[in-house]
Amino acid sequence: QQPVQSPQAVILREGEDAVINCSSSKALYSVHWYRQKHGEAPVFLMILLKGGEQKGHEKISASFNEKKQQSSLYLTASQLSYSGTYFCGTETTDSWGKFQFGAGTQVVVTP
Amino acid sequence: DAMVIQNPRYQVTQFGKPVTLSCSQTLNHNVMYWYQQKSSQAPKLLFHYYDKDFNNEADTPDNFQSRRPNTSFCFLDIRSPGLGDAAMYLCATSRARTGANVLTFGAGSRLTVL
Repeated sequence: QQPVQSPQAVILREGEDAVINCSSSKALYSVHWYRQKHGEAPVFLMILLKGGEQKGHEKISASFNEKKQQSSLYLTASQLSYSGTYFCGTETTDSWGKFQFGAGTQVVVTP
Repeated sequence: DAMVIQNPRYQVTQFGKPVTLSCSQTLNHNVMYWYQQKSSQAPKLLFHYYDKDFNNEADTPDNFQSRRPNTSFCFLDIRSPGLGDAAMYLCATSRARTGANVLTFGAGSRLTVL
């Protein structure tokens, strides 16, 4: 089942912060975050696992609330290169290996 | 560099004319995925292979088939493309079929149906 992402879009000035949320109606085993620039393939940013293990990328961090089946991605001191569409991909505990992606959050960082 | 390569990058076909998209990987990953991504939408999982074990999503149309002749290659066959099949098709791989493994995506094949 597809996770729900919010907001759909966000516009930031360089240096501002933003939070993107991802929630699931099912128990999660893992949450992945990817960024996709227009016309390109999604690129891995972050993975969060049930039990708290986390792997990060650049100045982007994330949290994973297992009880609420939610994850949040934090863009801190945003840079122009952060522009793109951010997708969360989730794997539920009853469907190992099947990653379903949220609808995406479009992030635009302006000078 | 180890990577996931998709061919062709751009494919134009006529309504009903079969199309084959290919994906090759040098990562020696066990799992290969095919996703369909329409404009401004999330990638939608069509099917995946865990080694030779094929897993079809319940809502993947019968029009879509896949082959994985060996570890390195995977093909997506669209038997009779319709206008609604125009999309970017993304191939991805992962080392194993658990969430601890990152997906590595190819650059995609953009399909246009006339």
